[in-house]
Formats: sequence, C-alpha cells, structure tokens
Amino acid sequence: EDKVVQSPLSLVVHEGDTVTLNCSYEVTNFRSLLWYKQEKKAPTFLFMLTSSGIEKKSGRLSSILDKKELFSILNITATQTGDSAVYLCAVGSGGATNKLIFGTGTLLAVQP
Amino acid sequence: NAGVTQTPKFQVLKTGQSMTLQCAQDMNHNSMYWYRQDPGMGLRLIYYSASEGTTDKGEVPNGYNVSRLNKREFSLRLESAAPSQTSVYFCASSEAQAGVQPQHFGDGTRLSIL
Repeated sequence: EDKVVQSPLSLVVHEGDTVTLNCSYEVTNFRSLLWYKQEKKAPTFLFMLTSSGIEKKSGRLSSILDKKELFSILNITATQTGDSAVYLCAVGSGGATNKLIFGTGTLLAVQP
Repeated sequence: NAGVTQTPKFQVLKTGQSMTLQCAQDMNHNSMYWYRQDPGMGLRLIYYSASEGTTDKGEVPNGYNVSRLNKREFSLRLESAAPSQTSVYFCASSEAQAGVQPQHFGDGTRLSIL
C-alpha cells in the first residue's frame, strides 16, 4: 500500500531557529514529491522535486529529495512567526491520472 | 486572479439531507479533484476528473457522486449525508492529465452533519 509519512508530527521553535521537516515514502511508480504549506485555508504549493540531490530553494525555504533512500527534507532557516502552519508532503504516483498521496503533515509553531 | 473557488464555505446538514458542493477554476486546467481532510488522516482523494467528460473514483468515494459540468466546474454531491461525512472538503485543479503537475487548491468547505 502506498504511504507517505511525515515527522515530526508537531514542532515548536523560537523565531530565528532553523527547522528541518522530514518526509519518507513508499509509493509504486514514483513521479515526484511536492511540499505544501497550509495555514487556515487552502494548501499552497511550495516545491515539486523529481530528481535526487537537486536542491530547490525559495527565500528561506529549501528542499531536497533522495530517491534512493525514499525521503525528502524541507528546511526553513531564520524562522518567523509567519512560518507557523501545517506543512504537507505529497507524492505523485504514476499513470495518467495525476494522483497525489498526502502525508498527515507537520504542525510548526514559531514563537516570538 | 481567483484560482479555485469553492461554495459554500460552511454548511450544516442533518443526517439524510442532500447537498452539492460547487467548485470552479479559472486557470484553464484540465484535471480537477475533490479531497476530504480529517484530523490525523491527511488529505484523501474522493473523486477526480482527468479531463472534461471523465470522472474516476479515488480512495474514499462511497457516499459521494461527482459531475464535471464543463472544463471549469466540478461538483461533489452527497445524496444522503451521514455524520461520518463531517469534514473539510477541498477542490483542486492541475494543468496536466499525464505526469505530475502541482495541484492548486480552493479554500475549502467546512461541512458538519448532525
């Protein structure tokens, strides 16, 4: 059965800290891995990774994929209170149907 | 720049009532999806439409029906609501049928079944 597991389930840090969120997966016919940020409403897209070892970066956020060990990490440096959210990892499974399998998310709380 | 629009935002139903959740996207995307999000369960796919005129079951389709009305609109219907269907429902769309492209989500409908 396909599954995506995120850790930790929740995390509390102080502003300025660096955090690392983890996502491991077991999915048949892997296509890509995506990270989303969910505040109060819609998940918003952060990154899509398809190749191992290539870091994607956007400001203070970065992510990398290891297809051999079947995991990805999302790093956030110099955290701010606005980074508080649930971070979702999803893996795209093959075929023509564009299915995403989601993890349950990591709840990040950044305290002032 | 609306993106994906869902209506209503909130709804309370009694057990056995029917309801249609509406979703429209203005990004000219081919594929559309309905998910439900429950605490500790993550987002689970209910139904999807790879292109206009096609629909397929996802992981948790029981108790739901869908209609892809045109390229823009994809509705989700609960024929006889049950308390187990209390959840937050998200509609999403993506550009491509084949391969994997990022999905873009609406703001969700919070549905309570009493």
